[in-house]
Amino acid sequence: AQKITQTQPGMFVQEKEAVTLDCTYDTSDQSYGLFWYKQPSSGEMIFLIYQGSYDEQNATEGRYSLNFQKARKSANLVISASQLGDSAMYFCAMALTGANSKLTFGKGITLSVRP
Amino acid sequence: NAGVMQNPRHLVRRRGQEARLRCSPMKGHSHVYWYRQLPEEGLKFMVYLQKENIIDESGMPKERFSAEFPKEGPSILRIQQVVRGDSAAYFCASSLTSAGQETQYFGPGTRLLVL
Repeated sequence: AQKITQTQPGMFVQEKEAVTLDCTYDTSDQSYGLFWYKQPSSGEMIFLIYQGSYDEQNATEGRYSLNFQKARKSANLVISASQLGDSAMYFCAMALTGANSKLTFGKGITLSVRP
Repeated sequence: NAGVMQNPRHLVRRRGQEARLRCSPMKGHSHVYWYRQLPEEGLKFMVYLQKENIIDESGMPKERFSAEFPKEGPSILRIQQVVRGDSAAYFCASSLTSAGQETQYFGPGTRLLVL
């Protein structure tokens, strides 16, 4: 079974600064994908970034980058130049590569951006 | 450019009534996943369907819950004889394929409140 751990308490960051949100995972499978989703107070789930277990380079999408350390089983999200609109819950998730790619989610981290 | 559609957005039911949640996947997507989010928790997988087939229902309670994805029309998550513990946000996601690297795009969710 897969497990995602997000243990940081609520995070605070000053506007325009960078912030790292931690995520560790556990799986015995070798082929999997890691995802980050954002959930603002309005409640929807917004896909941010994806990292495959065989990708050699860290994924980047605009201000989002994923610091993937396979040996440590960590997939931390880095948000650069934080904006007020980044205040939200952030969920790390994983799926195995195969016929059924159901997502396993962590409990999430609350990020608050201060002006 | 319609994304994943869910309705209703909010649903109030009294204990013992039935709840029907609908999900229309993104155009061209034939894989649908349902997740449940309890307050202050991450999302938990319930069921994975393809057109006319339930592929994995390992996360769905054995009683009172059922899901379908007919050849025509939306996917339906049905909860019979609702209880207060069913109060949660129910999210539907769709993907183009079932491969683990395929991004799942989420609908806005249905917030179910059982009185």
